[in-house]
Amino acid sequence: GAGVSQSPSNKVTEKGKDVELRCDPISGHTALYWYRQSLGQGLEFLIYFQGNSAPDKSGLPSDRFSAERTGGSVSTLTIQRTQQEDSAVYLCANAPKDRIYNEQFFGPGTRLTVL
Amino acid sequence: RKEVEQDPGPFNVPEGATVAFNCTYSNSASQSFFWYRQDCRKEPKLLMSVYSSGNEDGRFTAQLNRASQYISLLIRDSKLSDSATYLCVVNRHGGSQGNLIFGKGTKLSVKP
Repeated sequence: GAGVSQSPSNKVTEKGKDVELRCDPISGHTALYWYRQSLGQGLEFLIYFQGNSAPDKSGLPSDRFSAERTGGSVSTLTIQRTQQEDSAVYLCANAPKDRIYNEQFFGPGTRLTVL
Repeated sequence: RKEVEQDPGPFNVPEGATVAFNCTYSNSASQSFFWYRQDCRKEPKLLMSVYSSGNEDGRFTAQLNRASQYISLLIRDSKLSDSATYLCVVNRHGGSQGNLIFGKGTKLSVKP
């Protein structure tokens, strides 16, 4: 496809379970960003990748959160031992390169609900 | 000062009105500035970049004031379809790389 895709679109899980969220970027776009947005709140930066390396992980809220990217393409965000406060929409964005003036193209997000 | 601060609104305006939003940012080394638009339950999309000299795109005008560290967005002749949340976006660090910081947004509602 032409745009950023994310899966699943919705995920409901029980507290304490692990979840894995996936982002399929635009082909050839080397910069990839993860954000989360809680209900009625702004976007909270989590981590970004340039290629497979993550120059800035400072937004990850705790060590339960991790992300990886392989082959400079697909990225997965893993949340271990989910908590109710992890409920949010997790958004992935792409840019042609890691340059601050580039537009970021967003995927539709994964809506995570932790019961 | 918060990294990026916006009035959350909502701004309720009639069709055809002119409306302006402001945004302040804390890092004087920031170099990239944008306005994104987010429709309800949708992902953000770029509305326009903000250049030092100010720039216009149709009914939309963006201005940057580096001395006061603020950015503005002016919408003329508002349409119903302009109803959305407008996000002010600034790069976090100096330099040409790095992540962006999104403001919490200003909600606009254009009424018939």
